[in-house]
Amino acid sequence: DAGITQSPRYKITETGRQVTLMCHQTWSHSYMFWYRQDLGHGLRLIYYSAAADITDKGEVPDGYVVSRSKTENFPLTLESATRSQTSVYFCASSAGGRYNEQFFGPGTRLTVL
Amino acid sequence: GQSLEQPSEVTAVEGAIVQINCTYQTSGFYGLSWYQQHDGGAPTFLSYNALDGLEETGRFSSFLSRSDSYGYLLLQELQMKDSASYFCAVSKQAGTALIFGKGTTLSVSS
Repeated sequence: DAGITQSPRYKITETGRQVTLMCHQTWSHSYMFWYRQDLGHGLRLIYYSAAADITDKGEVPDGYVVSRSKTENFPLTLESATRSQTSVYFCASSAGGRYNEQFFGPGTRLTVL
Repeated sequence: GQSLEQPSEVTAVEGAIVQINCTYQTSGFYGLSWYQQHDGGAPTFLSYNALDGLEETGRFSSFLSRSDSYGYLLLQELQMKDSASYFCAVSKQAGTALIFGKGTTLSVSS
């Protein structure tokens, strides 16, 4: 199906475990982003990518790792999960363009126990 | 630092008009966007302003004043389905990440 998808949609893990959140888009958008959303903080940028093999840190990158070997995929890895990483994670993609519109995936709700 | 300020909550009745303001302080500015998010859903794009003035899209309009670092989203003929959170967001370059405000929760009652 066309669009942007995230998996898993829900994940419960334990402190110290490694977790990878997947993001896949079918539009061949150059730009991809990872945000986390917490009550009282809105959406905060974790990492973004302007193209395959080009990534850069956002506002809250500590504890996260990203890669982008293919244009359509942008996985986010929590190397050693902490309770403070309990959040809803949104992946987004954009072609840039006049309106700089970003298309968001459905989100992954992650709970770290 | 970088900040976007918007009211945390707004309430209105069906059929009314509501304005959600956003002031921003960022190191660099390319455009101001507005996104809507229903409970449990993903943010969806509503509107974008790169130049001063009003942009109209159906019942929704968005305004920008770059000199005042200020914008607003205007929602007309409110419907119950407009109950959602609304986020303003600044982009500093085309295609780059967005810096979001904390969001405004709009509650529309009958």
